[in-house]
Amino acid sequence: ETGVTQSPTHLIKTRGQQVTLRCSSQSGHNTVSWYQQALGQGPQFIFQYYREEENGRGNFPPRFSGLQFPNYSSELNVNALELDDSALYLCASSKNENYEQYFGPGTRLTVT
Amino acid sequence: DQQVKQNSPSLSVQEGRISILNCDYTNSMFDYFLWYKKYPAEGPTFLISISSIKDKNEDGRFTVFLNKSAKHLSLHIVPSQPGDSAVYFCAASAWTNAGKSTFGDGTTLTVKP
Repeated sequence: ETGVTQSPTHLIKTRGQQVTLRCSSQSGHNTVSWYQQALGQGPQFIFQYYREEENGRGNFPPRFSGLQFPNYSSELNVNALELDDSALYLCASSKNENYEQYFGPGTRLTVT
Repeated sequence: DQQVKQNSPSLSVQEGRISILNCDYTNSMFDYFLWYKKYPAEGPTFLISISSIKDKNEDGRFTVFLNKSAKHLSLHIVPSQPGDSAVYFCAASAWTNAGKSTFGDGTTLTVKP
């Protein structure tokens, strides 16, 4: 059984640029959640996708957007990058009826 | 306002002894609670969970206790092993928000041989 994978591992962008992060969910999982983890803090819920539809959103501005594809993989897009967007971005997949989430290793984004 | 709080940033215990990690929450809508363990360069790994209809759940060396009236939960690890050294996150969610967990800031556990 393949686990959750994320790409790229690390990324450096300049303020104002746009970035796309990718996540492949675990086999059999149809739900993907994205989290932002700033240094020294716990993961913060960005949004969740279930069967290609957004299924809830945390306290993040609209420049954070996402997609889920028919194979349940997902993308996180961030426009107009700000310095405070520098963080570890975690993707987690789950079966909708099961709260147990399986996290990927994350993408470390640095905005300069 | 942080809805899930882990007030101890770090904890150090001797191998073989008990580790107790604490977590407090403020949102009464939370009714499902989870603990995750995180090693460096890896994503969090699910450890154990408890729903609000229970006050205790055990899985091997790990036990989670829930005190709903105090809005407090704790994770007990007995006996602690050096491989348990990691960051432990407490998370909470409500039934209507499957998989949309609110996390605490974590407690770094160090188990000394």
